[in-house]
Amino acid sequence: QLVLTQSPSASASLGASVKLTCTLSSGHSSYAIAWHQQQPEKGPRYLMKLNSDGSHSKGDGIPDRFSGSSSGAERYLTISSLQSEDEADYYCQTWGTGTPVVFGGGTKLTVL
Amino acid sequence: EVQLVESGGGLVQPGGSLRLSCAASGFTFSSYEMNWVRQAPGKGLEWVSYISSSGSTIYYADSVKGRFTISRDNAKNSLYLQMNSLRAEDTAVYYCASRLVIDYWGQGTLVTVSS
Repeated sequence: QLVLTQSPSASASLGASVKLTCTLSSGHSSYAIAWHQQQPEKGPRYLMKLNSDGSHSKGDGIPDRFSGSSSGAERYLTISSLQSEDEADYYCQTWGTGTPVVFGGGTKLTVL
Repeated sequence: EVQLVESGGGLVQPGGSLRLSCAASGFTFSSYEMNWVRQAPGKGLEWVSYISSSGSTIYYADSVKGRFTISRDNAKNSLYLQMNSLRAEDTAVYYCASRLVIDYWGQGTLVTVSS
């Protein structure tokens, strides 16, 4: 079964960097994912598509501070030079047969 | 500019029905597969339903199967979700979202199921 696992919370200081993790279930380590950001009281926003080889393509207007990388079944979102507006929920998402769209549980990022 | 604008949400009693609409613009709607995704208060994102670009392939989450119906009108650049036999647990903000790699989201419409 295709499942995405995320830590419920993360925190980092203003101006620092943070790396969020999304883990694909066993047997699905070759899958690409997408990262989405949801700021408080707003709808989700597409950040990027991230492939298993670490290559990624970002959405319109996404700053260079956001980048992605991959290792095995792990997919990462790194945010550098953290700003207050980066405080948000971050969701990973993938797609497969049977259940076309799957979301991770989300990570709540707190900027200290 | 790509825009997805949902409408049709509101307050409905348990067992009632509601039809959501999503108006698309700024892209070739007829070429895009589409989804409905919902978010209950304080919870994460939950995929609800998928429809292929032609409408020939449709999937539903188990939680809504048999109660919700997704459809589209490519001539009107519109996506729909007919929701019947609504339950309290269907209370959520409903978003339309484009493609399997979801690259565009609407702003959402709130559905509240309560007596």
